[in-house]
Amino acid sequence: AQSVTQLGSHVSVSEGALVLLRCNYSSSVPPYLFWYVQYPNQGLQLLLKYTSAATLVKGINGFEAEFKKSETSFHLTKPSAHMSDAAEYFCAVSRKESNYQLIWGAGTKLIIKP
Amino acid sequence: DTGVSQNPRHKITKRGQNVTFRCDPISEHNRLYWYRQTLGQGPEFLTYFQNEAQLEKSRLLSDRFSAERPKGSFSTLEIQRTEQGDSAMYLCASSLGTGDEQYFGPGTRLTVT
Repeated sequence: AQSVTQLGSHVSVSEGALVLLRCNYSSSVPPYLFWYVQYPNQGLQLLLKYTSAATLVKGINGFEAEFKKSETSFHLTKPSAHMSDAAEYFCAVSRKESNYQLIWGAGTKLIIKP
Repeated sequence: DTGVSQNPRHKITKRGQNVTFRCDPISEHNRLYWYRQTLGQGPEFLTYFQNEAQLEKSRLLSDRFSAERPKGSFSTLEIQRTEQGDSAMYLCASSLGTGDEQYFGPGTRLTVT
């Protein structure tokens, strides 16, 4: 069965510092990979997705993620954190064999220190 | 059409009552999904539709949960005889087709007292 692991339920960075949120998946076949962001009391917003094209994927709000097959990872980064980035971030995977059902990580809450 | 909409945004009900939530997907999207999310957790898949056909419902939490999408447009999720454990955020998402990214609505927060 597929699973998604997000390391760190909370990540705290200073404003202007590098943001790194980790996501590892378990799948014998490279899946589709997604990062979503959720602000308090709101739905989820798609940040970016990987669908077997370029391994470095650029998303909205200055975020990007790199697919590394050898490490089964899809970590999310942003060079310089902004206060407005404070939110919860979810990594998700889907595969054709599972009818593209999204399997979600538990989420990482990003805290930005002024 | 600016996105997926859900109504109501908040619902408070007493234990044992029935509740129904509505989701209006992005108009050209064929797939519609329902999820439940509890505090501090990722979304939990419940069911999905391809047009009006419900293709997966084994993940619905119990037989008290049911969903419909009668004309392949909006969908409703009903919970009968609500329990306190049903308190959660119920999210709806839609996608254009298989494998496409899902776009989420703002959710309906259910509180069962």
